[in-house]
Amino acid sequence: TQLLEQSPQFLSIQEGENLTVYCNSSSVFSSLQWYRQEPGEGPVLLVTVVTGGEVKKLKRLTFQFGDARKDSSLHITAAQPGDTGLYLCAGAPGSGSARQLTFGSGTQLTVLP
Amino acid sequence: DTAVSQTPKYLVTQMGNDKSIKCEQNLGHDTMYWYKQDSKKFLKIMFSYNNKELIINETVPNRFSPKSPDKAHLNLHINSLELGDSAVYFCASRVGGREETQYFGPGTRLLVL
Repeated sequence: TQLLEQSPQFLSIQEGENLTVYCNSSSVFSSLQWYRQEPGEGPVLLVTVVTGGEVKKLKRLTFQFGDARKDSSLHITAAQPGDTGLYLCAGAPGSGSARQLTFGSGTQLTVLP
Repeated sequence: DTAVSQTPKYLVTQMGNDKSIKCEQNLGHDTMYWYKQDSKKFLKIMFSYNNKELIINETVPNRFSPKSPDKAHLNLHINSLELGDSAVYFCASRVGGREETQYFGPGTRLLVL
C-alpha cells in the first residue's frame, strides 16, 4: 500500500506570511496532484506535476515534485485569508493500475487577517 | 451547471437502517469513485467504476454496495448502518485514460445515531 504523509497537519499563520507544506512517501508516483478542500465542499484540483524536479507556479502558489518522484511541496507566498482550507496531496501510481489515487493525510491551513 | 452532484447533502439516520446516496456526473467521464472522509479528514477510496464495471473494491464491509445504472450514475447503498459509518462520503469522476484529474461532488454528511 502506498502512503503519503503530509506535514504539518495543522498550520495557522497571519496574513502576509509565507508557508510550505510537505508531502512525503517511500513510494514512487507517476504523477502527483494537489487539491484544496473548503468547508462543506469536495476537493478541487490545483495542479498536477508529472516530471521529477518539476516546478509549477499558480499565482502565489509554487508546487515542486521531488527528483525521485516520491515527494512534493507546496509553497504559498504572502498568504491571504482566502487561502484557508484543507490541502491534500494525491499520488497516482505507475502503469498497470486502475488509476487509483492515494491521498495524503491533509494539511489544514488557516490564514488569519 | 453542476459537474458532479450528490444527494442528499445531509443524512441523519438510526443505527440498523438501510440508506442510499446518489451520485450523477454530467461530464461524460468513464470512471466514477466513492470515497469516505473520516473525522480526521483522511480521504480513503471505497469503490471505482469504469463504464459500469467495478474495477476496484477496497476492503470495505459488504454492507456497502455500489450500483451503477449507467455511465453517468454511481449510487452507494448501505445496509445495517453502524455508528462507525458516520463520515462524509464523496463521489468523484475522472475522464479516463492517463488523465488523472478527479472531479469531486459536494459530499454527503452521514450521521448514524
